[in-house]
Amino acid sequence: QKEVEQDPGPLSVPEGAIVSLNCTYSNSAFQYFMWYRQYSRKGPELLMYTYSSGNKEDGRFTAQVDKSSKYISLFIRDSQPSDSATYLCAMGAGGSYIPTFGRGTSLIVHP
Amino acid sequence: DAGVTQSPTHLIKTRGQQVTLRCSPKSGHDTVSWYQQALGQGPQFIFQYYEEEERQRGNFPDRFSGHQFPNYSSELNVNALLLGDSALYLCASSFPGTDTEAFFGQGTRLTVV
Repeated sequence: QKEVEQDPGPLSVPEGAIVSLNCTYSNSAFQYFMWYRQYSRKGPELLMYTYSSGNKEDGRFTAQVDKSSKYISLFIRDSQPSDSATYLCAMGAGGSYIPTFGRGTSLIVHP
Repeated sequence: DAGVTQSPTHLIKTRGQQVTLRCSPKSGHDTVSWYQQALGQGPQFIFQYYEEEERQRGNFPDRFSGHQFPNYSSELNVNALLLGDSALYLCASSFPGTDTEAFFGQGTRLTVV
């Protein structure tokens, strides 16, 4: 079993939809959680990071962490075609600044 | 601010050859990490350099080595290339202790034939 599991998709949604992207993890030592967006042939771009359980909002993006269930989510409201990309979750243990990445979920938002 | 820059962007090598990839960190960053991203997979940590020393290393063979220069730029060297080394190689830079806010370059696409 991998430390971080993420469904590769692809996830195809119409423009304007609410998108839910998810990751599960097995390592109880993970204390910080991040979401990256990666466009084709580009490097990952940090979208959000959080250290605690609960929700964190930034514009159209909301990151949710449930440490008791070892489950994290990224919600995208009012999705746009420009949101079409691969979304990577990443997480790390306290004291270790090297995150472990999921394999990424490919998102396609069609007009 | 140029951000993290990597060179070259694409590279084709033959099995058994050696390759050197280069990275210039974002201005003000002194920590550089290298990742390997195979097609359809997430980035896998190779190693991290700080103050010209390898600070941490992932589960990669000794064929993978690196270097950091006094200006914080870095090189990744891979010897005796295998077909399985074909991947996108990513460089990320950050301040020490803030790898949660690492900035990635656009990567170098290495193809081994």
